[in-house]
Amino acid sequence: DTEVTQTPKHLVMGMTNKKSLKCEQHMGHRAMYWYKQKAKKPPELMFVYSYEKLSINESVPSRFSPECPNSSLLNLHLHALQPEDSALYLCASSQDRDLAGRGTDTQYFGPGTRLTVL
Amino acid sequence: AQTVTQSQPEMSVQEAETVTLSCTYDTSESNYYLFWYKQPPSRQMILVIRQEAYKQQNATENRFSVNFQKAAKSFSLKISDSQLGDTAMYFCAFMSTGQGGSEKLVFGKGTKLTVNP
Repeated sequence: DTEVTQTPKHLVMGMTNKKSLKCEQHMGHRAMYWYKQKAKKPPELMFVYSYEKLSINESVPSRFSPECPNSSLLNLHLHALQPEDSALYLCASSQDRDLAGRGTDTQYFGPGTRLTVL
Repeated sequence: AQTVTQSQPEMSVQEAETVTLSCTYDTSESNYYLFWYKQPPSRQMILVIRQEAYKQQNATENRFSVNFQKAAKSFSLKISDSQLGDTAMYFCAFMSTGQGGSEKLVFGKGTKLTVNP
């Protein structure tokens, strides 16, 4: 099973709203990722969590706030977004390597949340 | 920094024919992974095939195969017996195998493939 689920599928929000995106995986993966994808472009990495700790923040504005409550869940809290933040937000997970360096590192993606900021 | 180049923004192929998508990359590392991902219009990014740089044998997955030329830093994807369901954006991606931790995927800009009936 290589399933990553994301909710909601679509989200429309105003610039003053607070909303959250949710991502879940039950593959035992210990690394989880948030990507932003604009139309006809490749995904751009935003955040990486490794063993529930934030390991990479690609200089993302503070209006995006990630959270990893446990090894299966990843949230992205949104506040005071701008219209240019409208995009497809993808979550991914991978089997992070253990101390012996074993693991596959292949990232498996969820279906995404289509976000529109008005 | 690593870069991935897909020189064909768009391609088309007739159903049942074979098509090859090109990808080149630039890296100074000797150990890494290469991937092809497919993203149909329904948008979910799906792994097509994966190649580990230390393996000389080209990866294959049913109708999908790669031609991995490490010295030339080339990683092309061949789709045989193309099907309408292969219509999608195809992304080539690179990942280094650094010491511990999660590694970043570096994507190419993508090739939009259309399979015509």
